[in-house]
Amino acid sequence: GAVVSQHPSRVICKSGTSVKIECRSLDFQATTMFWYRQFPKQSLMLMATSNEGSKATYEQGVEKDKFLINHASLTLSTLTVTSAHPEDSSFYICSAERRGEETQYFGPGTRLLVL
Amino acid sequence: GQQLNQSPQSMFIQEGEDVSMNCTSSSIFNTWLWYKQDPGEGPVLLIALYKAGELTSNGRLTAQFGITRKDSFLNISASIPSDVGIYFCAGQLGFGNEKLTFGTGTRLTIIP
Repeated sequence: GAVVSQHPSRVICKSGTSVKIECRSLDFQATTMFWYRQFPKQSLMLMATSNEGSKATYEQGVEKDKFLINHASLTLSTLTVTSAHPEDSSFYICSAERRGEETQYFGPGTRLLVL
Repeated sequence: GQQLNQSPQSMFIQEGEDVSMNCTSSSIFNTWLWYKQDPGEGPVLLIALYKAGELTSNGRLTAQFGITRKDSFLNISASIPSDVGIYFCAGQLGFGNEKLTFGTGTRLTIIP
């Protein structure tokens, strides 16, 4: 199998605080992980591509200083939403690509609500 | 960012009916994927298509990769209640560019 987990599954925070979301590949090594954002009733939009041991590549319009991505190991990538504001409230989903494959396996998502 | 156009946007059908949805793009993709997303969860891969013209089945699901490489369709036969959800197509260029571009989604509702 190819299982990807995310933690936490949901988080509520106050405006101005930072929130860290973890994405783990549980039974495989992921050379590349992707972070998506999904607003209600909308599609998934790619935020950034994260390769182990290197800086993430951000999509146009995504602020790299606001959405900090760290991919320190082959099984873990983290997304930190810094100084979160209500407009950052969304469903954040990661995916992981198994080494040698081009198939992305998706995590269950993290729902962020910023008050 | 770019999105693929998916139609219909939503469908209301009765259990047992067949379902057809399609996805079109202004640019070509080398891989087409179909995902299903249940509320509050991540998308789950249903079918992957790697070759123009390819027709692939997975149980009651059948998908085709358009010969122009700019479109794909998904059929679901004899729908059942657990088919309810949102279906997304996704295109991938591949060959080192693994980014996925997702469609706008088709929401399937089954009327009892």
